[in-house]
Amino acid sequence: EAQVTQNPRYLITVTGKKLTVTCSQNMNHEYMSWYRQDPGLGLRQIYYSMNVEVTDKGDVPEGYKVSRKEKRNFPLILESPSPNQTSLYFCASSLLAGVPGELFFGEGSRLTVL
Amino acid sequence: AQSVTQLDSQVPVFEEAPVELRCNYSSSVSVYLFWYVQYPNQGLQLLLKYLSGSTLVKGINGFEAEFNKSQTSFHLRKPSVHISDTAEYFCAVSEQNSGYSTLTFGKGTMLLVSP
Repeated sequence: EAQVTQNPRYLITVTGKKLTVTCSQNMNHEYMSWYRQDPGLGLRQIYYSMNVEVTDKGDVPEGYKVSRKEKRNFPLILESPSPNQTSLYFCASSLLAGVPGELFFGEGSRLTVL
Repeated sequence: AQSVTQLDSQVPVFEEAPVELRCNYSSSVSVYLFWYVQYPNQGLQLLLKYLSGSTLVKGINGFEAEFNKSQTSFHLRKPSVHISDTAEYFCAVSEQNSGYSTLTFGKGTMLLVSP
């Protein structure tokens, strides 16, 4: 089954404790992206990747890091989480050859930073 | 850069009634337009898209949207809603010829269908 898998789905952590949210897709998609969803703000892009070893900042990259060492994986790293990073995070992927915007989303990772 | 405005944050409606969710965009170039739906505790999934051609676009689950270039709108409609349509709906726009980095989402409209 074609899917984007995120882990963990739920996480409560404390300020400053490094964490990684993993994202994996099995559709051989070149494009991958991370979004955060906050009430009243919709989805905002954090980082995106056009291919292996190619990443770029989105609209709200501060406090986050990403890497793309393999085509299928695109982990989101919070080196020193803060309470303002409490949010619902979504990973998405798409064929680069396709029309921009046709994204496949994971089920989301709800992060709480105390 | 483009922007998307979803005029209603919440739309309550009774089952079997028609519904329209409004979306307006601004862009200085030609665009692609999308509606995504997010059911409770799930990720987003594509409902329908406008790329070119006919301005009336049909999507899944009986939804349709009409692209109006002069009014820069892409409103979503359904003639008769079901309880199962309760979800959050996101309008999104990307500029043609600008690639994936220009995809922008609206803030979402919560559709609440009651019996």
